[in-house]
Amino acid sequence: QVQLQQSGPGLVKPSQTLSITCAISGDSVSSNIAAWSWIRQSPSRGLEWLGRAYFRSKWFIDYAVSVKGRITINPDTSRNQFSLHLNSVSPEDTATYYCARGSHRSSWVWGQGSLVTVSS
Amino acid sequence: DIVMTQSPDSLAVSLGERATINCKSSQSVFHVSDNRHYVAWYRQRPGQPPKLLIYWSSTRESGVPDRVSGSGSATDFTLTISSLQAEDAAVYYCQQYYDAPYTFGQGTKLEIK
Repeated sequence: QVQLQQSGPGLVKPSQTLSITCAISGDSVSSNIAAWSWIRQSPSRGLEWLGRAYFRSKWFIDYAVSVKGRITINPDTSRNQFSLHLNSVSPEDTATYYCARGSHRSSWVWGQGSLVTVSS
Repeated sequence: DIVMTQSPDSLAVSLGERATINCKSSQSVFHVSDNRHYVAWYRQRPGQPPKLLIYWSSTRESGVPDRVSGSGSATDFTLTISSLQAEDAAVYYCQQYYDAPYTFGQGTKLEIK
């Protein structure tokens, strides 16, 4: 079955870049029916979808307006994984970050979550 | 953006009884091409990621007991858990994945009375 394994630092300094990687097993990041999302959860914002990448003959990537301009999602076909990069972070970006697979034609599977604290 | 509004925010139900959680979308999440509503329901326990229970508004995820069911149409959706057990205590979320940005309800905390 599909499994997503996240890795990344738990502490990031303000103004720096938060980076998390999600390794995929049991599916392909280049799947023509899946989409690969990043979602975060905090007490103040609840569950917030940040963006997604999906392959339909070519790559499509879109982002939530709340983080647009600071976020990059990179699919890596050679390693079968995808990554989140969020720059210019502030304490408001402190949250548990999840990667997830889900789309109209594939069910939703979530990674284990990565608690990221933004603090000096 | 599609807003998902859950009710109630919390509820307490006795063991063996039925729990019902509602979710209303601010616009249709129905895809005419495949006749499906793109609504999912999750259960989240402390320290764990959300676990998928229901997708396409009423399809039970593999391994989820049949006392958990989803229903709904248009913009109103319901998660029902019958014969409540202690393990059902958790926070439940609805999600629309009809259109990006995908959005979630604010959560409903289910406690066992």
